[in-house]
Amino acid sequence: DTAVSQTPKYLVTQMGNDKSIKCEQNLGHDTMYWYKQDSKKFLKIMFSYNNKELIINETVPNRFSPKSPDKAHLNLHINSLELGDSAVYFCASSLVGDYTEAFFGQGTRLTVV
Amino acid sequence: GIQVEQSPPDLILQEGANSTLRCNFSDSVNNLQWFHQNPWGQLINLFYIPSGTKQNGRLSATTVATERYSLLYISSSQTTDSGVYFCAVAGGTYKYIFGTGTRLKVLA
Repeated sequence: DTAVSQTPKYLVTQMGNDKSIKCEQNLGHDTMYWYKQDSKKFLKIMFSYNNKELIINETVPNRFSPKSPDKAHLNLHINSLELGDSAVYFCASSLVGDYTEAFFGQGTRLTVV
Repeated sequence: GIQVEQSPPDLILQEGANSTLRCNFSDSVNNLQWFHQNPWGQLINLFYIPSGTKQNGRLSATTVATERYSLLYISSSQTTDSGVYFCAVAGGTYKYIFGTGTRLKVLA
């Protein structure tokens, strides 16, 4: 009964392909996030959504397009994948913005070859 | 934006030893959390601690918000404590800002 779940857990794909990562939370939270963890383990915000509305786009290339069909889901679509996109992507959620505790999914390890 | 620094960057302990990890932040915050990233990559919530002191088993944490720091104490460390410990803060901008982490290795 995972609180924040992401699929797939692993993704290996070739340069130039388009791929999506799905995220779902069953906590009833209003706010969802996407984070990128690079090879040095640094975690950086990419996007945050509140009640399906985009709040933050942290200078992420246009090739990355988040979509929130409802409050419980936040998917990430990536076009024209590049080698530099290889990383671990984490989805997270919190009840109301960043004033409340955040919970993270298990991560999706994306490898672009 | 808020800067978050963690120290030490790396720590090697013998099983049974105690340790203190530190998180300094550059501005006032609404929220502070400690996470453990285990060797399988999962981010485990340890403490939600914008201020005050909390304890959970062998782990405890203290945040002194007025002085802009937080401490995570690990007592009687075990090999399963190995991994990376992150501090994350938030200042009302719909994002959590992570420190660079403390990489802990506990030897049997």
